[in-house]
Amino acid sequence: QVTLKESGPVLVKPTETLTLTCTVSGFSLSNARMGVSWIRQPPGKALEWLAHIFSNDEKSYSTSLKSRLTISKDTSKSQVVLTMTNMDPVDTATYYCARTVGILWLERWFDPWGQGTLVTVSS
Amino acid sequence: SYELTQPPSVSVSPGQTASITCSGDKLGNKYACWYQQKPGQSPVLVIYQDNKRPSGIPERFSGSNSGNTATLTISGTQAMDEADYYCQAWDSNTYVFGTGTKVTVL
Repeated sequence: QVTLKESGPVLVKPTETLTLTCTVSGFSLSNARMGVSWIRQPPGKALEWLAHIFSNDEKSYSTSLKSRLTISKDTSKSQVVLTMTNMDPVDTATYYCARTVGILWLERWFDPWGQGTLVTVSS
Repeated sequence: SYELTQPPSVSVSPGQTASITCSGDKLGNKYACWYQQKPGQSPVLVIYQDNKRPSGIPERFSGSNSGNTATLTISGTQAMDEADYYCQAWDSNTYVFGTGTKVTVL
């Protein structure tokens, strides 16, 4: 059974750096067809893709947030870490990690998703 | 930037067919996926690569994609299908999600 679980702070202050960890089980981060993406959803709003990482260390970031994001992985620990700098109240959202399946960008999909973690940005 | 537009809401009677559209420039030249999200829950993949169903997803869910529009069809809609639905595609090294559609089963 494939599962993903997000962990990290529930509250961060404006200008601080957010660090989120996704711990996966049921698949390996060294699998060539599989990676992990981070996706967020502000309360009552739509989903927004943030970043992904694959086994060959292929990384990619949302164009609008690229300067603030860093994604990395520790294959031995089955963990993927996302950092987002200079947090702002508009970054308040539920942050999900999801297994990303497929070799080519254009054919990929997200399945399954973690339970999500709500991060609130407030002083 | 690439945009995917969905109707905000769709209403359907139990047992009837619900169709949810997703519009984007030349979307038919890309693969479309669909996710179901029930209140307080994480999204669940229901359709990938335009028309493929993951294991465990009922046959009443189907998808198509042509021209500028992808469509998710729910045949014989059940009360348990009431949820938000999001389409998703790839463009210019970015994954894009649609604006979301709330399906209400009346």
